[in-house]
Amino acid sequence: SQQGEEDPQALSIQEGENATMNCSYKTSINNLQWYRQNSGRGLVHLILIRSNEREKHSGRLRVTLDTSKKSSSLLITASRAADTASYFCATDAGYGQNFVFGPGTRLSVLP
Amino acid sequence: DVKVTQSSRYLVKRTGEKVFLECVQDMDHENMFWYRQDPGLGLRLIYFSYDVKMKEKGDIPEGYSVSREKKERFSLILESASTNQTSMYLCASSLQGRETQYFGPGTRLLVL
Repeated sequence: SQQGEEDPQALSIQEGENATMNCSYKTSINNLQWYRQNSGRGLVHLILIRSNEREKHSGRLRVTLDTSKKSSSLLITASRAADTASYFCATDAGYGQNFVFGPGTRLSVLP
Repeated sequence: DVKVTQSSRYLVKRTGEKVFLECVQDMDHENMFWYRQDPGLGLRLIYFSYDVKMKEKGDIPEGYSVSREKKERFSLILESASTNQTSMYLCASSLQGRETQYFGPGTRLLVL
């Protein structure tokens, strides 16, 4: 079974709205990362949050981590058409464990 | 900026052919990874390497092998391509601390 599961699978919003994506995982982690993938391209790292952090910001991105619930959320504020992409969470459970990516959330931002 | 390049963006091969996918990174990263990406399944790790001439199996190594003769280059080999290996293949690299992974643009492989 997968460590990371994003929710929802797909999300469609209007430009200027906020987009929230969630990630749940099953085991203890060292850190959790969010990546973006534009259609047919490689993944681009967005933000990393460590297990002892609760919230992190980067530009229009806000990530929260709740280790008691084993979940994370990615908030994109004031979305733009250029934010249209798939977003993946990846969990790092530590040495000897592989990174595990979820199936992703497909975000469409309509102009 | 870290740059990870992959030898081909698109590749079409026949069943039974031997296929080489090459990945090169220019930032002296110790770690390199090969993933395959299929709709609804996310990324699945095939093989990874923490050092030259070193390799470790990931979650789905069957039907694949790898080679890392130089630090900057990590090759994925399909010994005898099969149709179920049609997929997007992504290479990534990271520093020894295992944190942020930097991805190449991907190779979309079609096996007929």
